[in-house]
This record gives sequence, C-alpha cells and structure tokens, in this order.
Amino acid sequence: LAKTTQPISMDSYEGQEVNITCSHNNIATNDYITWYQQFPSQGPRFIIQGYKTKVTNEVASLFIPADRKSSTLSLPRVSLSDTAVYYCLVGDRGIKAAGNKLTFGGGTRVLVKP
Amino acid sequence: DAGVIQSPRHEVTEMGQEVTLRCKPISGHNSLFWYRQTMMRGLELLIYFNNNVPIDDSGMPEDRFSAKMPNASFSTLKIQPSEPRDSAVYFCASIRTAGRLNTEAFFGQGTRLTVV
Repeated sequence: LAKTTQPISMDSYEGQEVNITCSHNNIATNDYITWYQQFPSQGPRFIIQGYKTKVTNEVASLFIPADRKSSTLSLPRVSLSDTAVYYCLVGDRGIKAAGNKLTFGGGTRVLVKP
Repeated sequence: DAGVIQSPRHEVTEMGQEVTLRCKPISGHNSLFWYRQTMMRGLELLIYFNNNVPIDDSGMPEDRFSAKMPNASFSTLKIQPSEPRDSAVYFCASIRTAGRLNTEAFFGQGTRLTVV
C-alpha cells in the first residue's frame, strides 16, 4: 500500500478555505485517493474519492496533479462544525481491493476557530 | 438502512473479564473491518473479513483477541482476558464490492471500552 504523509494539524477560522495536502510518492497505477472525516466520538465518514484531476461534491473538492504523487483536499468556507480529523488513504479500488486493508494513518487535525 | 450497528456503545469491565463486542454490518456489504482507536496509537486495523472469511488478522494485538463472522449480518470481537491497556474505542466498518469496484466504507458509532 502506498504510504501517505499529511500535516498533523491545521488551524483555520470560520469562513476560510482549508486546504490539506497529502503526499503519496509511491502511488500505484490502480490506486485511488480517498479522504475520510472523523468528528470527536464518531467513526470516520467518507468525504470524497478521486483518481486524477479534480473531483467536487457538496462537501469538498479534491485536486490531484498529473503525477498523482500528492493530492489536496479543499474545504470551502469552513464552519465550526468542520472541526475534525481528516484522513487521506491511497489504495486499489479494484476487485482485489477486497483484500485492501483500508489502513488509516495519523490524519490531520483541523481546528476551526470563531 | 440503519447503518453499521455496534453494541454495546459503552462497556466498563474489570481486568480479567471476558468482553464481547458486536457488529451488524450494512445489508449487502461483503467486507467487514474491526478497528481500535486510542490517542497514542490512532486508528489501528485489527482484522478484516471478506465474504465472512478472515483475510488478514495481523493487526490483532495478541491471542487474547479473537474475531468471528458466523454470517453476513453479524460479527464479534472478543477479548479474553481483558487488560487495562485494552481500553479504547473499537470501531466496526463495512464496505460493498460493486462489480469490480469497492464503494465507500461505513463506520459504526463505536464501542468505548474501559477496563479497570
């Protein structure tokens, strides 16, 4: 599995855009990039997944450069309720990914201040 | 669907006692994962099943831990005997393989275990 590196923590203020970059230098051809969000006292929750270029949904955007060695999760206009830990995962989404361990790293702790 | 259901939500037990954590995955999901989360070690994968078969249990800390999945709708994680260092939040997650692709993983609310 490709190893990921992301900042341990980030602070922001309400209304600002938060960008979290994840490095995955040895990402494989079949690997997808997936982000999860975990609020205190809850299990992680899927946010977004992508393979290349840009993916956007109602929660976030995911930017992936051409070399795919990194990715950036963008949270637009954050609110206090976006305070959470954000995890970047890289792995094969294909059938053999049933054997994918779905391993989480340390994540990035985002604190949104008023 | 009610999502992944874990029970109990909280468990306090004395050292040496047996503890059984339960998980009901989302109907139709064919992979199930057990995790343990602590401040020190983060979110650790203990074991995962695919089609009720244990695929990788290399994350299980020691022989005191065991997990079973007797059918597609139920799994247990057992600790016998329990020790104070087992205190953590235990999460269960399930995922569905759709055709040749896996969909997103869904997590339960977790069981907070305290061993005194």
